[in-house]
Amino acid sequence: AQSVTQLDSQVPVFEEAPVELRCNYSSSVSVYLFWYVQYPNQGLQLLLKYLSGSTLVKGINGFEAEFNKSQTSFHLRKPSVHISDTAEYFCAVSPLSGGSYIPTFGRGTSLIVHP
Amino acid sequence: DTEVTQTPKHLVMGMTNKKSLKCEQHMGHRAMYWYKQKAKKPPELMFVYSYEKLSINESVPSRFSPECPNSSLLNLHLHALQPEDSALYLCASSQERGSAGELFFGEGSRLTVL
Repeated sequence: AQSVTQLDSQVPVFEEAPVELRCNYSSSVSVYLFWYVQYPNQGLQLLLKYLSGSTLVKGINGFEAEFNKSQTSFHLRKPSVHISDTAEYFCAVSPLSGGSYIPTFGRGTSLIVHP
Repeated sequence: DTEVTQTPKHLVMGMTNKKSLKCEQHMGHRAMYWYKQKAKKPPELMFVYSYEKLSINESVPSRFSPECPNSSLLNLHLHALQPEDSALYLCASSQERGSAGELFFGEGSRLTVL
């Protein structure tokens, strides 16, 4: 089984400031890692994913994340946020093996960008 | 623009009503999912269909009845719901079961049970 911890339930930040949303996971097998974004009154949209290879992954809207296997982390970063980045962000993991491919979601982090 | 289309976007129903939520995708995906999401919470998996067969039912009450008429369509039939069933219902699809877990979500159907 796997679990995902998003330590911050809410992250307030000013526009054009950098931001980091933290995600740690626990799993007995290797995993795929994902960040999804949910804008108000919408479904979830994939921001980026790590399957293998380079540990630095670039996604849409200027976001990137770095996979750190030793720290079992997959933190999401953006060097300069915009008002339109205000949304709920979910980290998710999916096992490479073991039969259950269904992603496990973290509780979510609400990013609030102030002007 | 989402490639998974859900209707209706909003639904209000009484506890004795029967209604259905619909989901459609034209990406050729062979796995489709229903999730329930409460405010400020992550999505909770309800059902998974793989190649039009129900493969996962996460112990969902029988007042929720899924149906997959073909590879592009997924329905969720609702009957005798309770007020606590009010939530955002999300449909998702993936290329096939086990496709690295990447899901494509619709915008959801917001259900209110009176």
